[in-house]
Amino acid sequence: AAGVIQSPRHLIKEKRETATLKCYPIPRHDTVYWYQQGPGQDPQFLISFYEKMQSDKGSIPDRFSAQQFSDYHSELNMSSLELGDSALYFCASSLETGELFFGEGSRLTVL
Amino acid sequence: KQEVTQIPAALSVPEGENLVLNCSFTDSAIYNLQWFRQDPGKGLTSLLLIQSSQREQTSGRLNASLDKSSGRSTLYIAASQPGDSATYLCAVDQGGSEKLVFGKGTKLTVNP
Repeated sequence: AAGVIQSPRHLIKEKRETATLKCYPIPRHDTVYWYQQGPGQDPQFLISFYEKMQSDKGSIPDRFSAQQFSDYHSELNMSSLELGDSALYFCASSLETGELFFGEGSRLTVL
Repeated sequence: KQEVTQIPAALSVPEGENLVLNCSFTDSAIYNLQWFRQDPGKGLTSLLLIQSSQREQTSGRLNASLDKSSGRSTLYIAASQPGDSATYLCAVDQGGSEKLVFGKGTKLTVNP
């Protein structure tokens, strides 16, 4: 069965650079979520989209933005990167049943 | 603010043992609770989802229970295997936005 696809899987950036992460949800899932998991930490909710509209916002820095496109894929844009942004970034998708399915994550390293 | 606690933080057991992982949450007004498995540096694999109206869910050797009124859930793993070694995360959903609040996980090691 198709799963949530994230790209790139690994990304290395310098401080103050910009990074873009992509997420392709499970087909027919209408909601996409982004989570950030720092080293040794539990995942923290960043932002979610329902039917291409932002539905909820968590602890997402102002330097980050995200959107969901007409084909339901989503992109997380991160600017002015800081060392503390180094983390695993997960995308998840769901239907109305509420069960979230997560991708394998994108590991961002900021040097 | 919802807080999710998982005890123990780490657990090491011999192969074949039955074990219980615990999860507690401070606000009982939840829509559902989900158990995940995470291997090091990998994604989150959904194991079981329990809706707020349910008491338990079973999948193979896994059984998860939910006592919403007391703010507790347990994940029971029967006949543990070395391949079960991973971090197990409990997460609760409180609203229609379906954002999850996670516990810090229990790191399980099953020794051959």
